[in-house]
Amino acid sequence: QVQLVQSGAEVKKPGASVKVSCKTSGYTFTSYGISWVRQAPGQGLEWMGWISGYNDDTHYPQRLQGRVTVTTNISTGTAYMELRSLRSDDTAVYYCARDRAIRLGEFAIYDNWGQGTPVTVS
Amino acid sequence: DIQMTQSPSSLSASVGDRVTITCRASQGILNYLNWYQQKPGKAPKLLIFGASSLPSGVPRRFTGSGSGTDFTLTISSLQPEDFATYYCQQSYGSPQTFGPGTKVDVK
Repeated sequence: QVQLVQSGAEVKKPGASVKVSCKTSGYTFTSYGISWVRQAPGQGLEWMGWISGYNDDTHYPQRLQGRVTVTTNISTGTAYMELRSLRSDDTAVYYCARDRAIRLGEFAIYDNWGQGTPVTVS
Repeated sequence: DIQMTQSPSSLSASVGDRVTITCRASQGILNYLNWYQQKPGKAPKLLIFGASSLPSGVPRRFTGSGSGTDFTLTISSLQPEDFATYYCQQSYGSPQTFGPGTKVDVK
């Protein structure tokens, strides 16, 4: 079965960086993308970025451009999300999700999700 | 950015009730609209994609409809496991955006 297993909780100081991993299994990594979504405490969902497992194309929301980087290791089927210059309002649970969009501009559908990684900035 | 709104923001219902949640986009998004269900402390789960398509494994009591700017999610007969928060999401424009959520709780 499809699984996405994320790394554990993190506590960081303001100004630091965090890197969250997402280890996938049960499907062909290069046939899907990976998107990252975060959820601040008691709040809604915010898309943070996407990477193609097929060709490593990436796409980020403008408001996070320059602070977030999404990468993959195809040999291990693992995706990574790094967020820099952390602020208190980056405190959130960070999710990776398997995305049916494999090329830029395709319809994003998050059909399987990781368990979430809490990141606290304090 | 395309803004997504949902109504109501919360509702109270009983098992067996028919529940309808609406989602509106600030501009036309064709049918690039997904619905997710989230339970407390858990990751969201895909319920409907492409406005009206049901992923395998999702019960048929969930239906989605709409196109353009107005969409609905209907639960035909609410079950105990359906008490949760529901989010719509558009991926027609960048950035992809979610609605603020609709919490369905016990009446």
